[in-house]
Amino acid sequence: NAGVTQTPKFQVLKTGQSMTLQCAQDMNHEYMSWYRQDPGMGLRLIHYSVGAGITDQGEVPNGYNVSRSTTEDFPLRLLSAAPSQTSVYFCASSQRMTYEQYFGPGTRLTVT
Amino acid sequence: GENVEQHPSTLSVQEGDSAVIKCTYSDSASNYFPWYKQELGKRPQLIIDIRSNVGEKKDQRIAVTLNKTAKHFSLHITETQPEDSAVYFCAASRTGGSYIPTFGRGTSLIVHP
Repeated sequence: NAGVTQTPKFQVLKTGQSMTLQCAQDMNHEYMSWYRQDPGMGLRLIHYSVGAGITDQGEVPNGYNVSRSTTEDFPLRLLSAAPSQTSVYFCASSQRMTYEQYFGPGTRLTVT
Repeated sequence: GENVEQHPSTLSVQEGDSAVIKCTYSDSASNYFPWYKQELGKRPQLIIDIRSNVGEKKDQRIAVTLNKTAKHFSLHITETQPEDSAVYFCAASRTGGSYIPTFGRGTSLIVHP
């Protein structure tokens, strides 16, 4: 199994540009989530999904959209990038009845 | 919602010493408390977890304790080694509501050889 994969690994955007961060898992996990990690701030939840077709907001959802059309994929869309969105983004997945979260390798995003 | 406080933010120890990281949580309904380790440039990975029906759990040199009354839990690492150097995150969550855990802000552990 590849586990949780994310693309791209690095990305530089200009203010106002849009883009999609890709996340996929091959473990048939029902739960998927997106976090951003900033120095001294830990892991903050952006959006999460408890199954295909179901998404909900986390702690810091503004400026981001998600959708979950399949169990495997959970893309994160930045609508109009801002310098405040410069961060490392992690996607994670987990089974319903167990609690370990499996993280992807992360995407380092810089917005200039 | 749940609020998780983690201390200290940085912990520096000599190789062979013990290290303790403490977390408090606010939601008395939380019943699952995982700890993740994140090495530099890598993804967070689960190292140990504890559920609310257990007071202590050990796995080799690491252990976690839980005090439900006081709503705090701690990670203990004994005989620290340089490869223990990393950022450690605690988290809290509960069944029945949002499954996704709330994370602490992390502790950067530095083990000096």
